[in-house]
Amino acid sequence: DAEITQSPRHKITETGRQVTLACHQTWNHNNMFWYRQDLGHGLRLIHYSYGVQDTNKGEVSDGYSVSRSNTEDLPLTLESAASSQTSVYFCASSSSGTAQETQYFGPGTRLLVL
Amino acid sequence: QQQVKQSPQSLIVQKGGISIINCAYENTAFDYFPWYQQFPGKGPALLIAIRPDVSEKKEGRFTISFNKSAKQFSLHIMDSQPGDSATYFCAASKNQAGTALIFGKGTTLSVSS
Repeated sequence: DAEITQSPRHKITETGRQVTLACHQTWNHNNMFWYRQDLGHGLRLIHYSYGVQDTNKGEVSDGYSVSRSNTEDLPLTLESAASSQTSVYFCASSSSGTAQETQYFGPGTRLLVL
Repeated sequence: QQQVKQSPQSLIVQKGGISIINCAYENTAFDYFPWYQQFPGKGPALLIAIRPDVSEKKEGRFTISFNKSAKQFSLHIMDSQPGDSATYFCAASKNQAGTALIFGKGTTLSVSS
């Protein structure tokens, strides 16, 4: 069955380190998204991509970067981790089209920055 | 500026009761309004969605009511069950290439037995 996976599921890192969170989907979806979820803030969009080589900044993109070299993967990089980036990160994908296609979410990565 | 405002932040309902979660939006260009459901430790999943050409959409015990003039929409869960205990997010988007879903801050629903 097609799916979307995230790795690692849990990560502890230190302030200042570079961290990369992986997201892989097997639906052949063109659209992929990264969100962070924090208590009281809901789901906030970090970056999104509507196809290979396409990337766009979301609401809270500072300190994060993404690159889309193939359809299946959209890795999220924290260039220099900060304690404020402690959060649960969700990746999602949807088929071609606008933001009105159903988004399928991964299981999440819980990141702790010490 | 918060484009989609959701209330309440948390909700406790007795088993068999009606759960109501409300959302309001600012941008009149929004024309797609989904609700996502998230169980603890899981990613959100689409529950039900509505477009502004109808005022109500029902799927089983879940109903979206939409008021275009007031720029408000709400989720009603009839005969609420303990298995409905989850976090619910409303969202909105425009039918425009390159844009993204805007989510509300979420409502944590607890249905007591």
